[in-house]
Amino acid sequence: DGGITQSPKYLFRKEGQNVTLSCEQNLNHDAMYWYRQDPGQGLRLIYYSQIVNDFQKGDIAEGYSVSREKKESFPLTVTSAQKNPTAFYLCASSIAGVEYFGPGTRLTVT
Amino acid sequence: AQKVTQAQTEISVVEKEDVTLDCVYETRDTTYYLFWYKQPPSGELVFLIRRNSFDEQNEISGRYSWNFQKSTSSFNFTITASQVVDSAVYFCALSEGSNYKLTFGKGTLLTVNP
Repeated sequence: DGGITQSPKYLFRKEGQNVTLSCEQNLNHDAMYWYRQDPGQGLRLIYYSQIVNDFQKGDIAEGYSVSREKKESFPLTVTSAQKNPTAFYLCASSIAGVEYFGPGTRLTVT
Repeated sequence: AQKVTQAQTEISVVEKEDVTLDCVYETRDTTYYLFWYKQPPSGELVFLIRRNSFDEQNEISGRYSWNFQKSTSSFNFTITASQVVDSAVYFCALSEGSNYKLTFGKGTLLTVNP
């Protein structure tokens, strides 16, 4: 089955810890994206990558980091510098300008 | 800068009613794309439709229809004969030119009651 997988679905961390969210796609899409969604809000772009070994900051990149070593994988690290990390994180990949989304990871930091 | 406004935060209807979700956008580009996505309670966004700025034809897909009007910068979405399974948050989004980054509206929560 082709698609985008994000793991885990729920993640709990203590304040001050870095945490890495996984995103894998087997759709052979070149571009991948990370979004953050807060209750009652739209999606806000954190980082995106249009090709392997290259990525750009989105609108809210502070406190986050990414890597794109393989076409299939685009992990997101939420660092301790991110002031309000508790949120729902969605990964997407795109082909011909249409983005397709994974199931998301709900991160809770206490 | 591009902007998408979904003025309706929440809508509640009874099954079989028709419902229209509004979307108003702002952009300075002449070439742009408009999207609708559905987010059911499971959380995953599901792509519904993309329109480009040069195609103002309305589109119908089953019970779904979309009305694109450049004169009012609107791209409204109508569900005919709504069903409980239509309950979800619906997002309108915009991308400009060859920049495929999406700008999302804040979404409209649609609840269809039996």
